Amino acid sequence: DAKTTQPTSMDCAEGRAANLPCNHSTISGNEYVYWYRQIHSQGPQYIIHGLKNNETNEMASLIITEDRKSSTLILPHATLRDTAVYYCIADNQAGTALIFGKGTTLSVSS
Amino acid sequence: GAVVSQHPSWVICKSGTSVKIECRSLDFQATTMFWYRQFPKQSLMLMATSNEGSKATYEQGVEKDKFLINHASLTLSTLTVTSAHPEDSSFYICSALEGGRDQPQHFGDGTRLSIL
Repeated sequence: DAKTTQPTSMDCAEGRAANLPCNHSTISGNEYVYWYRQIHSQGPQYIIHGLKNNETNEMASLIITEDRKSSTLILPHATLRDTAVYYCIADNQAGTALIFGKGTTLSVSS
Repeated sequence: GAVVSQHPSWVICKSGTSVKIECRSLDFQATTMFWYRQFPKQSLMLMATSNEGSKATYEQGVEKDKFLINHASLTLSTLTVTSAHPEDSSFYICSALEGGRDQPQHFGDGTRLSIL
């Protein structure tokens, strides 16, 4: 699976949009971009995933660049409960385990 | 959505005790489950891949005789930490693969194991 690079930490004001970048310049054509988050002392929570097209669900939006070398997870209206570590993972859906990097620690403050 | 249940959520036991952790997929069948370990302020580290009806595949450096994995049904995998010692204290997390294309993996809420 392709390596992903994320900033170590980000801050966001409550009610504002949180835009979390991810670089995956070596992603291959069959690899999806997955986003999970982990709130303290809990298991990772699935957020969203995509291959080429932008995706949106009730939690977030995923914007993937045309060359697929990077993506951005957007939380449109961040709340305090969105404070977590966010992981961007490239995976080819071959049935193997997801490999976690260090992720981005998002701190949402009032 | 798909739910993975992990039990117990928290356990404290004496050194030398064996501890069993259960991972269940509640509303789907999981032919493959994964076990991770997470130390404080670190990311999740894959320990092993558990396939229903066959032996687990362990990652390099993970002792298969210490971390026994059983995946006897399509909805249940267990991890037994045998003769646990303080250095085995960690946060253990399982995930289950629902199968089929375009399906995300779902994670349990983890088990915090503390060995005294």
